[in-house]
Amino acid sequence: DIQMAQSPSSLSASIGDRVTITCQASEGVSTSLAWYQQKPGKAPKPLIFDTSSLQSGVPSRFSGSGSDTDFNLTISSLQSEDFGTYYCQQYHRYPLALGPGTKVDLK
Amino acid sequence: EVQLLESGGDLVRPGGSLRLSCAASGFRFKEFAMTWVRQAPGKGLEWISTLSGAGIGPYYADSVKGRFTTSRDNSAGTLFLQMRSLRADDTAVYYCAKNTARMRSSPFDHWGQGILVTVSS
Repeated sequence: DIQMAQSPSSLSASIGDRVTITCQASEGVSTSLAWYQQKPGKAPKPLIFDTSSLQSGVPSRFSGSGSDTDFNLTISSLQSEDFGTYYCQQYHRYPLALGPGTKVDLK
Repeated sequence: EVQLLESGGDLVRPGGSLRLSCAASGFRFKEFAMTWVRQAPGKGLEWISTLSGAGIGPYYADSVKGRFTTSRDNSAGTLFLQMRSLRADDTAVYYCAKNTARMRSSPFDHWGQGILVTVSS
């Protein structure tokens, strides 16, 4: 089974900061990688699919990159509404797997 | 507008059973795979099961294989999760999610609001 790791597990950042979250797969997943944002008490919100394609309505300050085993989610200029927990997910093959999450909060 | 509405959550004793439903609307239900994801209190998201729109699968996580059964009624636009032999560590909010493809493994583009299942004596 493919295992997903994320780093850091949490980070503190200020409004306007550039933030990068890393996701690593235990084996190659090509570009079959998605990112989700979750706020406390809410359902996850899809952000990115196929490593770098933004879901409809997602601001352009979000971007994704990578391939095979190493991926990044970057927020170019952090906004107040971006605080929450971010999860990566591989869908290269079953069983599907999500990373443990990266919590982004206010410094 | 795509809507996913889970129901059936409850407090159940260890060893008990429960069936969750996810009523879907706003899209051609049979043309998309559907997934269950859960989140234990204070923990991360855990993929549980996916069933294709064509009925291929279901695929299950090892943590629920043999105890949980996913099914769907395409005519009613509803996804089900039958849970048996429930344990305390099954306590979680359960989400249904719509996949972006019918058959191949794919990401999720819509999520329900989630439903709480509590397993406790």
